[in-house]
Amino acid sequence: QKEVEQNSGPLSVPEGAIASLNCTYSDRGSQSFFWYRQYSGKSPELIMFIYSNGDKEDGSFTAQLNKASQYVSLLIRDSQPSDSATYLCAAAASSNTGKLIFGQGTTLQVKP
Amino acid sequence: DVKVTQSSRYLVKRTGEKVFLECVQDMDHENMFWYRQDPGLGLRLIYFSYDVKMKEKGDIPEGYSVSREKKERFSLILESASTNQTSMYLCASTQKGRGYTFGSGTRLTVV
Repeated sequence: QKEVEQNSGPLSVPEGAIASLNCTYSDRGSQSFFWYRQYSGKSPELIMFIYSNGDKEDGSFTAQLNKASQYVSLLIRDSQPSDSATYLCAAAASSNTGKLIFGQGTTLQVKP
Repeated sequence: DVKVTQSSRYLVKRTGEKVFLECVQDMDHENMFWYRQDPGLGLRLIYFSYDVKMKEKGDIPEGYSVSREKKERFSLILESASTNQTSMYLCASTQKGRGYTFGSGTRLTVV
């Protein structure tokens, strides 16, 4: 069973701090990785994707990928209370069906 | 932007009823998925489809069936609703490699 593991949290950070969310995956054939944000009672929203080793920046978000270590992370700079949500990490299944394998999600709380 | 529309936001059904959840996407995506999401259990894949009339079982297909007669529409059917099928149901679509776009979800309560 291919898996994606995340710490469920909650991760609590003060406003303005950097929030660091981590994820490991077991399918060595996965090539694409995604971060979704989900507010309570809402559906997940795609915020970042990364295919290559290294860092990818988009606004206040930085995604990091290390395929050798099978590790993906999401950094949120200058965290705001509006960033409080559950963050889901997903890896594309190597079966090439378009299917994503999701982690359980990490709950982030940004305290004013 | 891709839009994935789920027909109902909230639904209350009785035990034993046949329930249809509809999902429509407007970007000609090949792949469509049905998940349920429960507290502490995360997203669990029920069924997916990678082409019209094609379907594959996900991790928890028991008690569910699906229909994809047209590329844009993927329906989830609860053959005989039970209380343990009370959940948030999420539909998603994708072109391979691009990540999912989710619908807004249907919160189903079976009483």
